[in-house]
Amino acid sequence: KAGVTQTPRYLIKTRGQQVTLSCSPISGHRSVSWYQQTPGQGLQFLFEYFSETQRNKGNFPGRFSGRQFSNSRSEMNVSTLELGDSALYLCASSPTRTGANEQFFGPGTRLTVL
Amino acid sequence: AQSVTQLGSHVSVSEGALVLLRCNYSSSVPPYLFWYVQYPNQGLQLLLKYTSAATLVKGINGFEAEFKKSETSFHLTKPSAHMSDAAEYFCAVSDSGYSTLTFGKGTMLLVSP
Repeated sequence: KAGVTQTPRYLIKTRGQQVTLSCSPISGHRSVSWYQQTPGQGLQFLFEYFSETQRNKGNFPGRFSGRQFSNSRSEMNVSTLELGDSALYLCASSPTRTGANEQFFGPGTRLTVL
Repeated sequence: AQSVTQLGSHVSVSEGALVLLRCNYSSSVPPYLFWYVQYPNQGLQLLLKYTSAATLVKGINGFEAEFKKSETSFHLTKPSAHMSDAAEYFCAVSDSGYSTLTFGKGTMLLVSP
Protein backbone atom coordinates (compact mmCIF):
# COMPACT_ATOMS: atom_id res chain seq x y z
CA LYS A 1 0.00 0.00 0.00
CA ALA A 2 1.19 3.48 -0.73
CA GLY A 3 1.80 5.66 2.29
CA VAL A 4 0.37 9.06 3.11
CA THR A 5 1.34 11.60 0.50
CA GLN A 6 1.44 15.36 0.90
CA THR A 7 1.82 18.00 -1.76
CA PRO A 8 3.65 20.19 -2.20
CA ARG A 9 6.67 19.27 -0.10
CA TYR A 10 7.94 22.84 0.08
CA LEU A 11 6.23 26.20 -0.22
CA ILE A 12 7.41 29.78 0.07
CA LYS A 13 4.78 32.48 0.50
CA THR A 14 4.70 36.09 1.63
CA ARG A 15 2.72 37.62 4.45
CA GLY A 16 -0.93 38.20 3.65
CA GLN A 17 -1.15 35.48 1.02
CA GLN A 18 -3.13 32.30 1.40
CA VAL A 19 -2.04 28.71 0.88
CA THR A 20 -3.63 25.31 0.32
CA LEU A 21 -1.95 22.08 1.31
CA SER A 22 -3.06 18.65 0.15
CA CYS A 23 -3.01 15.22 1.79
CA SER A 24 -3.87 11.81 0.34
CA PRO A 25 -4.37 9.19 3.06
CA ILE A 26 -3.57 5.52 2.86
CA SER A 27 -6.18 3.70 0.82
CA GLY A 28 -9.09 2.68 3.04
CA HIS A 29 -8.27 5.15 5.81
CA ARG A 30 -11.16 7.45 6.59
CA SER A 31 -9.71 9.63 9.35
CA VAL A 32 -7.30 12.42 8.44
CA SER A 33 -5.65 14.68 10.99
CA TRP A 34 -3.41 17.70 10.54
CA TYR A 35 -0.61 18.83 12.84
CA GLN A 36 1.65 21.86 12.87
CA GLN A 37 5.27 21.38 13.91
CA THR A 38 7.46 24.33 14.92
CA PRO A 39 10.71 24.49 16.93
CA GLY A 40 9.07 26.59 19.62
CA GLN A 41 5.67 24.96 20.05
CA GLY A 42 6.46 21.43 18.95
CA LEU A 43 3.70 19.31 17.44
CA GLN A 44 0.24 20.79 17.78
CA PHE A 45 -3.06 19.35 16.61
CA LEU A 46 -4.94 21.42 14.05
CA PHE A 47 -8.03 19.41 13.13
CA GLU A 48 -9.37 15.99 12.29
CA TYR A 49 -11.74 14.96 9.53
CA PHE A 50 -13.76 11.78 9.25
CA SER A 51 -16.35 11.04 6.60
CA GLU A 52 -16.05 14.56 5.20
CA THR A 53 -16.89 16.17 8.56
CA GLN A 54 -14.60 18.01 10.93
CA ARG A 55 -14.73 16.00 14.14
CA ASN A 56 -12.21 17.76 16.32
CA LYS A 57 -10.37 21.05 16.24
CA GLY A 58 -7.29 22.34 17.98
CA ASN A 59 -6.68 25.80 19.38
CA PHE A 60 -5.87 27.68 16.18
CA PRO A 61 -7.41 30.85 14.75
CA GLY A 62 -10.10 30.75 12.11
CA ARG A 63 -7.52 31.51 9.42
CA PHE A 64 -6.79 27.80 9.52
CA SER A 65 -9.44 25.69 7.84
CA GLY A 66 -9.74 22.38 6.12
CA ARG A 67 -11.98 19.98 4.35
CA GLN A 68 -12.22 16.36 3.37
CA PHE A 69 -13.51 14.94 0.13
CA SER A 70 -15.55 11.80 -0.49
CA ASN A 71 -12.39 9.86 -1.38
CA SER A 72 -10.94 10.84 2.04
CA ARG A 73 -8.36 13.18 0.54
CA SER A 74 -8.01 16.31 2.61
CA GLU A 75 -6.88 19.88 2.13
CA MET A 76 -6.03 22.53 4.64
CA ASN A 77 -6.04 26.23 3.93
CA VAL A 78 -4.35 29.08 5.72
CA SER A 79 -5.50 32.57 4.82
CA THR A 80 -3.76 35.88 5.50
CA LEU A 81 -0.44 34.24 6.23
CA GLU A 82 1.68 35.49 9.12
CA LEU A 83 5.38 34.97 9.73
CA GLY A 84 4.51 32.68 12.63
CA ASP A 85 2.74 30.28 10.29
CA SER A 86 6.11 29.09 9.02
CA ALA A 87 6.17 25.44 10.04
CA LEU A 88 6.15 21.84 8.93
CA TYR A 89 2.55 20.75 8.39
CA LEU A 90 2.01 17.05 8.88
CA CYS A 91 -0.95 15.02 7.78
CA ALA A 92 -1.79 11.68 9.37
CA SER A 93 -4.35 9.04 8.50
CA SER A 94 -5.87 6.12 10.37
CA PRO A 95 -8.58 3.58 9.51
CA THR A 96 -11.10 4.81 12.09
CA ARG A 97 -11.33 7.33 14.92
CA THR A 98 -10.48 4.92 17.73
CA GLY A 99 -7.73 6.29 19.94
CA ALA A 100 -5.87 2.98 19.93
CA ASN A 101 -5.21 3.20 16.21
CA GLU A 102 -1.78 4.04 14.92
CA GLN A 103 -1.71 7.24 12.92
CA PHE A 104 0.36 7.05 9.76
CA PHE A 105 2.15 10.28 8.96
CA GLY A 106 3.10 11.78 5.65
CA PRO A 107 6.46 13.49 5.03
CA GLY A 108 4.97 16.92 5.61
CA THR A 109 4.81 20.23 3.77
CA ARG A 110 7.44 22.77 4.77
CA LEU A 111 5.84 26.23 4.61
CA THR A 112 8.03 29.31 4.79
CA VAL A 113 6.36 32.70 5.12
CA LEU A 114 8.50 35.71 4.22
CA ALA B 1 -7.09 17.59 29.42
CA GLN B 2 -4.21 15.39 28.45
CA SER B 3 -0.57 16.34 28.54
CA VAL B 4 2.81 14.73 27.98
CA THR B 5 6.14 15.69 29.50
CA GLN B 6 9.41 14.49 28.05
CA LEU B 7 12.38 15.08 30.33
CA GLY B 8 15.43 16.27 28.45
CA SER B 9 15.29 17.98 25.09
CA HIS B 10 18.59 16.31 24.19
CA VAL B 11 20.06 12.99 25.30
CA SER B 12 23.58 11.92 24.32
CA VAL B 13 24.81 8.34 24.45
CA SER B 14 27.74 6.40 23.08
CA GLU B 15 27.22 3.68 20.53
CA GLY B 16 26.46 0.44 22.39
CA ALA B 17 25.21 2.19 25.51
CA LEU B 18 21.73 1.98 27.02
CA VAL B 19 19.16 4.40 25.66
CA LEU B 20 16.58 5.78 28.13
CA LEU B 21 14.11 8.44 27.02
CA ARG B 22 11.64 9.59 29.65
CA CYS B 23 7.95 10.28 29.20
CA ASN B 24 5.31 11.14 31.79
CA TYR B 25 1.68 11.67 30.93
CA SER B 26 -1.40 13.19 32.45
CA SER B 27 -4.80 11.87 31.48
CA SER B 28 -8.18 11.78 33.15
CA VAL B 29 -9.10 8.56 31.38
CA PRO B 30 -7.15 5.38 30.65
CA PRO B 31 -4.74 6.46 27.98
CA TYR B 32 -3.31 5.04 24.84
CA LEU B 33 0.40 5.84 24.64
CA PHE B 34 2.70 6.01 21.67
CA TRP B 35 6.33 6.60 20.83
CA TYR B 36 7.14 8.01 17.41
CA VAL B 37 10.52 8.70 15.81
CA GLN B 38 11.30 11.45 13.32
CA TYR B 39 14.36 11.48 11.10
CA PRO B 40 15.46 14.75 9.45
CA ASN B 41 13.10 16.00 6.75
CA GLN B 42 10.72 13.12 7.28
CA GLY B 43 7.37 12.50 8.90
CA LEU B 44 6.80 10.51 12.08
CA GLN B 45 7.14 6.74 12.26
CA LEU B 46 5.53 4.66 14.99
CA LEU B 47 7.99 2.79 17.24
CA LEU B 48 5.47 1.21 19.60
CA LYS B 49 2.14 1.72 21.32
CA TYR B 50 0.42 0.80 24.57
CA THR B 51 -3.27 0.02 24.34
CA SER B 52 -3.98 -1.59 27.76
CA ALA B 53 -2.78 -5.09 26.93
CA ALA B 54 0.73 -5.98 28.18
CA THR B 55 2.42 -3.24 30.20
CA LEU B 56 5.79 -4.02 28.61
CA VAL B 57 5.56 -3.16 24.95
CA LYS B 58 8.11 -4.18 22.35
CA GLY B 59 8.51 -2.13 19.22
CA ILE B 60 10.61 -1.90 16.12
CA ASN B 61 14.39 -1.56 15.95
CA GLY B 62 14.90 -3.12 19.40
CA PHE B 63 13.03 -0.45 21.36
CA GLU B 64 10.64 -1.20 24.20
CA ALA B 65 8.64 0.76 26.75
CA GLU B 66 6.97 -0.04 30.05
CA PHE B 67 3.64 1.44 31.10
CA LYS B 68 3.65 2.26 34.83
CA LYS B 69 0.28 3.56 35.93
CA SER B 70 1.43 4.38 39.47
CA GLU B 71 4.18 6.61 38.11
CA THR B 72 2.17 7.82 35.07
CA SER B 73 5.23 6.99 33.00
CA PHE B 74 5.97 5.36 29.68
CA HIS B 75 9.75 5.49 29.31
CA LEU B 76 11.42 4.26 26.10
CA THR B 77 14.52 2.05 26.30
CA LYS B 78 16.94 0.24 24.04
CA PRO B 79 19.74 -1.92 25.47
CA SER B 80 22.39 -0.93 22.93
CA ALA B 81 22.38 2.28 20.90
CA HIS B 82 23.27 2.28 17.22
CA MET B 83 24.38 5.25 15.16
CA SER B 84 21.22 4.90 13.09
CA ASP B 85 19.11 5.59 16.21
CA ALA B 86 20.08 9.26 16.12
CA ALA B 87 16.78 11.08 15.58
CA GLU B 88 14.06 12.96 17.45
CA TYR B 89 11.66 10.92 19.56
CA PHE B 90 8.15 11.92 20.52
CA CYS B 91 5.89 10.50 23.18
CA ALA B 92 2.16 10.96 22.57
CA VAL B 93 -1.14 10.19 24.26
CA SER B 94 -4.70 9.75 23.05
CA ASP B 95 -7.88 8.48 24.64
CA SER B 96 -10.51 6.05 23.50
CA GLY B 97 -12.86 8.66 22.14
CA TYR B 98 -10.64 10.31 19.62
CA SER B 99 -7.62 9.52 17.49
CA THR B 100 -6.19 12.97 18.21
CA LEU B 101 -2.65 12.79 19.57
CA THR B 102 -1.21 15.09 22.21
CA PHE B 103 2.57 15.15 21.85
CA GLY B 104 5.45 15.86 24.16
CA LYS B 105 8.06 18.41 23.12
CA GLY B 106 10.37 15.71 21.82
CA THR B 107 13.82 14.43 22.76
CA MET B 108 16.71 14.57 20.32
CA LEU B 109 18.87 11.45 20.68
CA LEU B 110 22.53 11.95 19.78
CA VAL B 111 24.71 8.86 19.35
CA SER B 112 28.48 9.21 19.32
CA PRO B 113 30.95 6.58 18.09
